[in-house]
Amino acid sequence: SQQGEEDPQALSIQEGENATMNCSYKTSINNLQWYRQNSGRGLVHLILIRSNEREKHSGRLRVTLDTSKKSSSLLITASRAADTASYFCATGGEETSGSRLTFGEGTQLTVNP
Amino acid sequence: KAGVTQTPRYLIKTRGQQVTLSCSPISGHRSVSWYQQTPGQGLQFLFEYFSETQRNKGNFPGRFSGRQFSNSRSEMNVSTLELGDSALYLCASSFVAGLSYGYTFGSGTRLTVV
Repeated sequence: SQQGEEDPQALSIQEGENATMNCSYKTSINNLQWYRQNSGRGLVHLILIRSNEREKHSGRLRVTLDTSKKSSSLLITASRAADTASYFCATGGEETSGSRLTFGEGTQLTVNP
Repeated sequence: KAGVTQTPRYLIKTRGQQVTLSCSPISGHRSVSWYQQTPGQGLQFLFEYFSETQRNKGNFPGRFSGRQFSNSRSEMNVSTLELGDSALYLCASSFVAGLSYGYTFGSGTRLTVV
C-alpha cells in the first residue's frame, strides 16, 4: 500500500514557471526522498531530506519537510520541457527497516514549451 | 561507472508460464531491492537482498521469489504468471542496505502477460 498521497495528481505548466508538488505520509520518518521517473523508465533520485531538516536545496529544486503535518513539498523553479516526468516521494530506507521504500502515488508534471 | 543494469528490457509471456528477471547492481553495492510498478497499485516493494540473504519482503504471494549471488547480482522469479503480473519491474541498488541515502534504480523490465 502507498505511504500517502501526492497532490496534485497531474500538473501542467509553461516553461519558465515554477512547479510545486506536495506529498503527505502516514508514519513517523527519519528521512524523505524525492524521485523522478521519465515515461515509464527507471527512477532517478533527486534529493533526500532528513527529519531534522526543514528545507533543502539542490540546483533548481527546493524541498521542504513539515514533520508535524507529515507533509513535504517539492518546488522546481524555472521549469524546462525536460522536467516533464512523474515525481514521487518516498519514505523508508532506514537501516533498522532495511531498504524498503514506500512511495506516494506520484505527480505527473507536464512542462509545455 | 556503470549504472544498475536490468535484463531483459521487455518480455512477453503467456499466463501460467514462469519468468526470471535479472539485475546487476552498481559495482560495490551489496544491497539490491525489487519493486513492481502498475497503474493501479503504483510502486510496491517486493523484496530486498543483502549479501545473498533476503532481508526484507513485501506483501506478495509466494509465486514471487528472488535470490542474490556472491557478486551481488540478483534475480527475481515469478512462477505461474497471471495477467495481473503485467508490470514494470524495477530493481534498485545501494552501497549499504537500508542506509539513508538515495537508491540507484535500473531502467526496469516491462513484463506483459497475455
